[in-house]
Amino acid sequence: GENVEQHPSTLSVQEGDSAVIKCTYSDSASNYFPWYKQELGKGPQLIIDIRSNVGEKKDQRIAVTLNKTAKHFSLHITETQPEDSAVYFCAASGFQKLVFGTGTRLLVSP
Amino acid sequence: NAGVTQTPKFRILKIGQSMTLQCTQDMNHNYMYWYRQDPGMGLKLIYYSVGAGITDKGEVPNGYNVSRSTTEDFPLRLELAAPSQTSVYFCASSSDREIQANVLTFGAGSRLTVL
Repeated sequence: GENVEQHPSTLSVQEGDSAVIKCTYSDSASNYFPWYKQELGKGPQLIIDIRSNVGEKKDQRIAVTLNKTAKHFSLHITETQPEDSAVYFCAASGFQKLVFGTGTRLLVSP
Repeated sequence: NAGVTQTPKFRILKIGQSMTLQCTQDMNHNYMYWYRQDPGMGLKLIYYSVGAGITDKGEVPNGYNVSRSTTEDFPLRLELAAPSQTSVYFCASSSDREIQANVLTFGAGSRLTVL
């Protein structure tokens, strides 16, 4: 089955810096790669996703890139703000259900 | 629009007790899921359902049961609580339209402690 690895487990940045979170997946049949943000005491919320027919997708300060050959995808957050502090999960899915990474705790310091 | 609602938010159980975590959604989603979240382990799928009357096991189903009698409700039952079931449980739902099937809406979670 699918296996998703996520790095780093924690990431501390200064406000205004960029943050990058990386994930790798094992199943070459996976074709959908979402990113979820989980704020303290809340459930995860979808922030951006990408499908295998594109290599990059942007939405304001966040972007996701996908390298299908290498089987890895990344989340990029530019101009980080304190409200970006949260746990971020990547996931991968093909024919089967979503498999999540282990999460990255992002801390943005003012 | 409430989305996905889970109850209770917190619960403490003694070993061997039983309980049901409730989940209801008002988005008319056919697909519903139960995940558990343990520190450093991400989200693991317990059970899922693709419609009323249909349920199937996920990655970690042992010790749990589910039912899906209506489109809206998907309760998760723990029959004999064990310390290993201490976790945060999330219910989620998604549309069955092909491009939306993997876009999950999560509830706020239920924190369960078994002592």
